[in-house]
Amino acid sequence: DTEVTQTPKHLVMGMTNKKSLKCEQHMGHRAMYWYKQKAKKPPELMFVYSYEKLSINESVPSRFSPECPNSSLLNLHLHALQPEDSALYLCASSPLASGVTLIPYNEQFFGPGTRLTVL
Amino acid sequence: SQQGEEDPQALSIQEGENATMNCSYKTSINNLQWYRQNSGRGLVHLILIRSNEREKHSGRLRVTLDTSKKSSSLLITASRAADTASYFCATDAPLNSGGYQKVTFGTGTKLQVIP
Repeated sequence: DTEVTQTPKHLVMGMTNKKSLKCEQHMGHRAMYWYKQKAKKPPELMFVYSYEKLSINESVPSRFSPECPNSSLLNLHLHALQPEDSALYLCASSPLASGVTLIPYNEQFFGPGTRLTVL
Repeated sequence: SQQGEEDPQALSIQEGENATMNCSYKTSINNLQWYRQNSGRGLVHLILIRSNEREKHSGRLRVTLDTSKKSSSLLITASRAADTASYFCATDAPLNSGGYQKVTFGTGTKLQVIP
Protein backbone atom coordinates (compact mmCIF):
# COMPACT_ATOMS: atom_id res chain seq x y z
CA ASP A 1 0.00 0.00 0.00
CA THR A 2 1.72 3.17 -1.22
CA GLU A 3 -1.14 5.51 -0.63
CA VAL A 4 -1.80 8.36 1.76
CA THR A 5 -5.50 8.82 2.38
CA GLN A 6 -7.23 11.92 3.68
CA THR A 7 -10.76 12.45 4.90
CA PRO A 8 -12.96 14.26 4.28
CA LYS A 9 -12.36 15.37 0.68
CA HIS A 10 -14.35 18.53 1.22
CA LEU A 11 -15.31 20.32 4.41
CA VAL A 12 -17.44 23.42 4.92
CA MET A 13 -17.51 24.81 8.44
CA GLY A 14 -18.57 27.89 10.30
CA MET A 15 -16.23 29.97 12.39
CA THR A 16 -17.61 28.52 15.62
CA ASN A 17 -17.41 24.88 14.57
CA LYS A 18 -14.94 22.25 15.69
CA LYS A 19 -13.89 19.74 13.08
CA SER A 20 -11.00 17.39 12.39
CA LEU A 21 -9.06 16.38 9.30
CA LYS A 22 -7.68 12.87 9.16
CA CYS A 23 -4.72 11.37 7.37
CA GLU A 24 -3.59 7.75 7.22
CA GLN A 25 -0.67 5.87 5.69
CA HIS A 26 0.45 2.27 5.93
CA MET A 27 3.89 2.55 4.35
CA GLY A 28 5.71 2.47 7.68
CA HIS A 29 6.82 6.07 7.28
CA ARG A 30 7.81 7.67 10.57
CA ALA A 31 7.61 11.29 9.36
CA MET A 32 4.23 12.88 8.66
CA TYR A 33 3.44 16.42 7.57
CA TRP A 34 0.61 18.91 7.31
CA TYR A 35 0.73 21.52 4.56
CA LYS A 36 -1.64 24.36 3.72
CA GLN A 37 -2.05 25.40 0.10
CA LYS A 38 -3.90 28.48 -1.07
CA ALA A 39 -5.04 28.76 -4.67
CA LYS A 40 -2.21 29.25 -7.17
CA LYS A 41 0.38 29.10 -4.40
CA PRO A 42 2.86 26.41 -3.35
CA PRO A 43 2.21 24.23 -0.32
CA GLU A 44 3.32 25.80 2.95
CA LEU A 45 4.56 23.57 5.74
CA MET A 46 2.52 23.71 8.94
CA PHE A 47 3.65 20.79 11.11
CA VAL A 48 6.07 17.89 11.03
CA TYR A 49 5.85 14.78 13.19
CA SER A 50 8.74 12.38 13.51
CA TYR A 51 8.32 9.16 15.48
CA GLU A 52 4.88 10.42 16.54
CA LYS A 53 6.36 13.50 18.20
CA LEU A 54 5.87 17.06 16.99
CA SER A 55 9.19 18.14 15.49
CA ILE A 56 8.34 21.31 13.63
CA ASN A 57 5.57 23.86 14.17
CA GLU A 58 5.85 26.64 11.63
CA SER A 59 4.31 29.26 13.92
CA VAL A 60 0.83 28.02 13.12
CA PRO A 61 -2.05 29.68 15.05
CA SER A 62 -3.38 27.65 17.95
CA ARG A 63 -6.76 27.27 16.26
CA PHE A 64 -4.99 24.47 14.36
CA SER A 65 -4.08 21.59 16.66
CA PRO A 66 -2.21 18.57 15.26
CA GLU A 67 -2.26 15.12 16.76
CA CYS A 68 -0.41 11.93 15.89
CA PRO A 69 -2.11 9.09 17.80
CA ASN A 70 0.08 6.39 16.23
CA SER A 71 2.58 5.87 13.46
CA SER A 72 -0.12 5.53 10.80
CA LEU A 73 -2.49 8.34 11.70
CA LEU A 74 -2.26 12.10 11.69
CA ASN A 75 -5.08 14.42 12.65
CA LEU A 76 -5.55 18.15 12.40
CA HIS A 77 -8.13 19.54 14.80
CA LEU A 78 -9.77 22.78 13.76
CA HIS A 79 -11.51 25.25 16.06
CA ALA A 80 -12.64 28.85 15.64
CA LEU A 81 -11.20 29.16 12.16
CA GLN A 82 -11.32 32.30 10.06
CA PRO A 83 -12.46 32.62 6.44
CA GLU A 84 -8.83 33.20 5.42
CA ASP A 85 -8.06 29.66 6.61
CA SER A 86 -9.98 28.33 3.64
CA ALA A 87 -7.47 26.32 1.61
CA LEU A 88 -6.44 22.85 0.47
CA TYR A 89 -4.89 20.98 3.40
CA LEU A 90 -2.40 18.35 2.35
CA CYS A 91 -0.99 15.53 4.40
CA ALA A 92 2.28 13.82 3.46
CA SER A 93 4.56 11.13 4.81
CA SER A 94 8.14 10.10 4.20
CA PRO A 95 10.71 7.65 5.47
CA LEU A 96 13.20 8.82 8.04
CA ALA A 97 16.87 8.07 8.18
CA SER A 98 17.94 5.85 11.03
CA GLY A 99 18.67 7.66 14.22
CA VAL A 100 16.98 10.68 15.67
CA THR A 101 17.90 13.23 13.01
CA LEU A 102 15.12 14.22 10.65
CA ILE A 103 16.51 14.01 7.14
CA PRO A 104 13.73 14.10 4.55
CA TYR A 105 16.04 13.31 1.67
CA ASN A 106 13.50 10.84 0.43
CA GLU A 107 10.41 11.78 -1.45
CA GLN A 108 7.30 12.78 0.36
CA PHE A 109 4.11 10.92 -0.45
CA PHE A 110 1.11 13.22 -0.53
CA GLY A 111 -2.54 12.56 0.08
CA PRO A 112 -5.20 14.04 -2.22
CA GLY A 113 -5.98 16.80 0.25
CA THR A 114 -9.02 18.18 2.04
CA ARG A 115 -10.62 21.25 0.48
CA LEU A 116 -11.67 23.38 3.47
CA THR A 117 -14.09 26.30 3.25
CA VAL A 118 -14.67 28.44 6.31
CA LEU A 119 -17.83 30.54 6.19
CA SER B 1 14.21 32.37 2.60
CA GLN B 2 14.83 28.97 1.08
CA GLN B 3 11.88 29.22 -1.24
CA GLY B 4 12.54 28.55 -4.89
CA GLU B 5 11.20 30.71 -7.63
CA GLU B 6 10.08 29.08 -10.82
CA ASP B 7 10.10 30.38 -14.29
CA PRO B 8 7.95 30.66 -16.26
CA GLN B 9 4.85 30.97 -14.08
CA ALA B 10 2.79 29.50 -16.90
CA LEU B 11 3.65 27.63 -20.08
CA SER B 12 1.42 26.51 -22.93
CA ILE B 13 2.75 24.14 -25.61
CA GLN B 14 1.48 21.76 -28.27
CA GLU B 15 1.48 18.04 -27.67
CA GLY B 16 4.77 16.52 -28.77
CA GLU B 17 6.83 19.60 -27.97
CA ASN B 18 9.33 19.78 -25.14
CA ALA B 19 8.64 21.77 -21.98
CA THR B 20 11.37 23.36 -19.89
CA MET B 21 10.83 24.80 -16.43
CA ASN B 22 13.43 26.50 -14.30
CA CYS B 23 13.83 26.83 -10.56
CA SER B 24 16.14 29.17 -8.67
CA TYR B 25 16.81 29.07 -4.95
CA LYS B 26 18.68 31.20 -2.48
CA THR B 27 20.73 29.13 -0.05
CA SER B 28 22.74 25.92 -0.24
CA ILE B 29 20.79 22.68 -0.37
CA ASN B 30 21.16 18.96 0.19
CA ASN B 31 18.68 17.86 -2.45
CA LEU B 32 16.26 19.29 -4.96
CA GLN B 33 13.06 17.53 -5.91
CA TRP B 34 10.42 18.11 -8.54
CA TYR B 35 6.74 17.41 -7.90
CA ARG B 36 3.66 17.52 -10.10
CA GLN B 37 0.20 18.57 -8.98
CA ASN B 38 -2.95 18.08 -10.97
CA SER B 39 -5.55 20.75 -10.35
CA GLY B 40 -6.66 20.80 -6.71
CA ARG B 41 -5.09 17.44 -5.92
CA GLY B 42 -2.11 16.12 -3.99
CA LEU B 43 1.45 16.33 -5.20
CA VAL B 44 3.23 13.49 -6.92
CA HIS B 45 6.99 13.11 -6.61
CA LEU B 46 8.77 13.06 -9.98
CA ILE B 47 12.49 13.05 -9.37
CA LEU B 48 15.13 13.89 -6.77
CA ILE B 49 18.61 15.18 -7.56
CA ARG B 50 21.29 15.42 -4.91
CA SER B 51 23.54 18.43 -4.52
CA ASN B 52 26.54 16.47 -5.82
CA GLU B 53 24.71 15.43 -9.00
CA ARG B 54 24.46 17.55 -12.15
CA GLU B 55 21.94 15.69 -14.24
CA LYS B 56 19.37 12.98 -13.79
CA HIS B 57 16.93 11.23 -16.11
CA SER B 58 13.69 9.41 -15.49
CA GLY B 59 11.69 8.37 -18.53
CA ARG B 60 10.76 11.55 -20.42
CA LEU B 61 12.08 13.74 -17.60
CA ARG B 62 15.51 15.29 -17.45
CA VAL B 63 16.61 17.36 -14.48
CA THR B 64 19.76 19.43 -14.24
CA LEU B 65 21.22 21.10 -11.19
CA ASP B 66 23.76 23.91 -11.12
CA THR B 67 24.68 24.57 -7.51
CA SER B 68 27.01 27.43 -8.48
CA LYS B 69 24.05 29.27 -9.99
CA LYS B 70 21.59 27.88 -7.44
CA SER B 71 19.28 26.76 -10.20
CA SER B 72 17.67 23.66 -11.61
CA SER B 73 15.69 22.87 -14.72
CA LEU B 74 13.10 20.25 -15.52
CA LEU B 75 12.73 19.16 -19.13
CA ILE B 76 9.74 17.11 -20.22
CA THR B 77 10.30 15.69 -23.69
CA ALA B 78 7.58 14.73 -26.16
CA SER B 79 4.86 16.23 -23.99
CA ARG B 80 1.38 14.72 -23.74
CA ALA B 81 -1.95 16.24 -22.81
CA ALA B 82 -1.77 14.21 -19.58
CA ASP B 83 1.31 16.23 -18.58
CA THR B 84 -0.95 19.25 -18.03
CA ALA B 85 -0.40 20.14 -14.37
CA SER B 86 1.49 22.46 -12.06
CA TYR B 87 5.12 21.61 -11.43
CA PHE B 88 6.95 22.55 -8.24
CA CYS B 89 10.58 22.35 -7.30
CA ALA B 90 11.30 21.66 -3.65
CA THR B 91 14.55 22.21 -1.81
CA ASP B 92 15.75 21.00 1.55
CA ALA B 93 18.31 22.84 3.57
CA PRO B 94 21.34 21.40 5.33
CA LEU B 95 20.82 20.36 8.91
CA ASN B 96 20.52 23.21 11.35
CA SER B 97 21.75 23.15 14.92
CA GLY B 98 18.48 21.60 16.02
CA GLY B 99 19.05 18.63 13.75
CA TYR B 100 15.98 19.26 11.65
CA GLN B 101 15.46 20.41 8.13
CA LYS B 102 12.40 20.95 6.03
CA VAL B 103 11.40 20.90 2.40
CA THR B 104 10.34 24.22 0.92
CA PHE B 105 8.38 24.41 -2.31
CA GLY B 106 8.94 26.86 -5.12
CA THR B 107 6.27 29.05 -6.64
CA GLY B 108 5.42 26.55 -9.37
CA THR B 109 4.98 26.50 -13.14
CA LYS B 110 1.55 25.82 -14.60
CA LEU B 111 1.97 23.74 -17.75
CA GLN B 112 -0.76 23.33 -20.33
CA VAL B 113 -0.24 20.82 -23.12
CA ILE B 114 -2.67 21.33 -25.97
CA PRO B 115 -3.72 18.17 -27.84
